[in-house]
Amino acid sequence: ETGVTQTPRHLVMGMTNKKSLKCEQHLGHNAMYWYKQSAKKPLELMFVYNFKEQTENNSVPSRFSPECPNSSHLFLHLHTLQPEDSALYLCASSQEEANSYEQYFGPGTRLTVT
Amino acid sequence: GQNIDQPTEMTATEGAIVQINCTYQTSGFNGLFWYQQHAGEAPTFLSYNVLDGLEEKGRFSSFLSRSKGYSYLLLKELQMKDSASYLCAVRDSNYQLIWGAGTKLIIKP
Repeated sequence: ETGVTQTPRHLVMGMTNKKSLKCEQHLGHNAMYWYKQSAKKPLELMFVYNFKEQTENNSVPSRFSPECPNSSHLFLHLHTLQPEDSALYLCASSQEEANSYEQYFGPGTRLTVT
Repeated sequence: GQNIDQPTEMTATEGAIVQINCTYQTSGFNGLFWYQQHAGEAPTFLSYNVLDGLEEKGRFSSFLSRSKGYSYLLLKELQMKDSASYLCAVRDSNYQLIWGAGTKLIIKP
């Protein structure tokens, strides 16, 4: 596999379920990101990890819990979500969290909360 | 607050030229990015501007004026495959990326 991969691609879950999203990058990058993308809205940055350390948490509710066990893998643990959390969740990586380094995105997980 | 403005939707004809504008108000400036996102797919990097002027890359060019808080993406010789959303993003003084909502470009034959 090359680039940034995400699993699952689609997820339907009830409000009482617990699930996890997985992201893996094969680019040797040191920074990884979780974004939420809702229709007709800007990308919302949720979490940033730089060299495995969390550097950003943009006031994300605690029902979203990130985990970065190494610089190649990033997880987003979900529990007791709300219907308004339904969105496309994108993972991205970049060489480092700074300057001109562009971000490489995965294909996203389409999440539906029922 | 920080804000990125771009038109919601634009329509153009195959073979023509289209200019997608982006204006920004951010706390500091450390570069501007353009990304392309086809429906149901990941955003992909198109261009990066940090100095004023025009950057050309094949059929695509991106322009920046820092004094005006303004950028545009110029697409020439439009092809049907250029139908996509185009996202403008600015890196602020804290090196955080601030994203616009994207411009959906529809190409007609």
